[in-house]
Amino acid sequence: DIQMTQSPSSLSASVGDRVTITCQASQDISNYLNWYQQKPGKAPKLLIYDASNLETGVPSRISGGGSGTDFTFSISNLQPEDTGTYYCQQYDTLPLTFGGGTKVEMK
Amino acid sequence: QVLLQESGPGLVKPSETLSLTCTVSGGSINNYFWSWIRQPPGKGLEWIGHIHYTGTTNYRPSLESRVAISLDKSKNQFSLRLNSVTGADTAVYYCARYCSGGSCYRLDPWGQGTLVTVSS
Repeated sequence: DIQMTQSPSSLSASVGDRVTITCQASQDISNYLNWYQQKPGKAPKLLIYDASNLETGVPSRISGGGSGTDFTFSISNLQPEDTGTYYCQQYDTLPLTFGGGTKVEMK
Repeated sequence: QVLLQESGPGLVKPSETLSLTCTVSGGSINNYFWSWIRQPPGKGLEWIGHIHYTGTTNYRPSLESRVAISLDKSKNQFSLRLNSVTGADTAVYYCARYCSGGSCYRLDPWGQGTLVTVSS
């Protein structure tokens, strides 16, 4: 299985801050990576696909990048509605695998 | 828009079989893969497996000996069976559509999830 390692596991930031999450794959996955946001008690919601493409309706202050083994997910101008847990997910090889998650909280 | 809804028992005894169904509304089962993902309480997401509308299945290797996913096109439903369950199978179980092919490789949309507890 391809292992996906996310860091940090949690972070706390203020409104207006820029936050960045990293996701590292255990092998080259090209750009075959998606990012999801999960709110407590809710299903994950797709935010970014193919490493850098914003899903329809996702605000442009959210962005993703990277290829190969190293990826980033960023939120600029952090808003209270951005709190939740974020997961990366690779689709290069079955089984589909997820990162361990990054919990984003407001200070 | 396409909506998915999980249904099934919320409590299963150890060593018995967990059975869940996902009903798809607002769209056809055709042309997609249909997935099951689970999340133990307070933990991360784990892909269980999926079924193509043609009936082809793929499973997580560590669960392959205990899991089966099936499809009922007439009811626009797909189902999960996981046998010989233990406490480690306690989780919220999600169903999701997986598009695979062309320029689409993503799990979207998801059902709301259903908690299954394994306990005597």
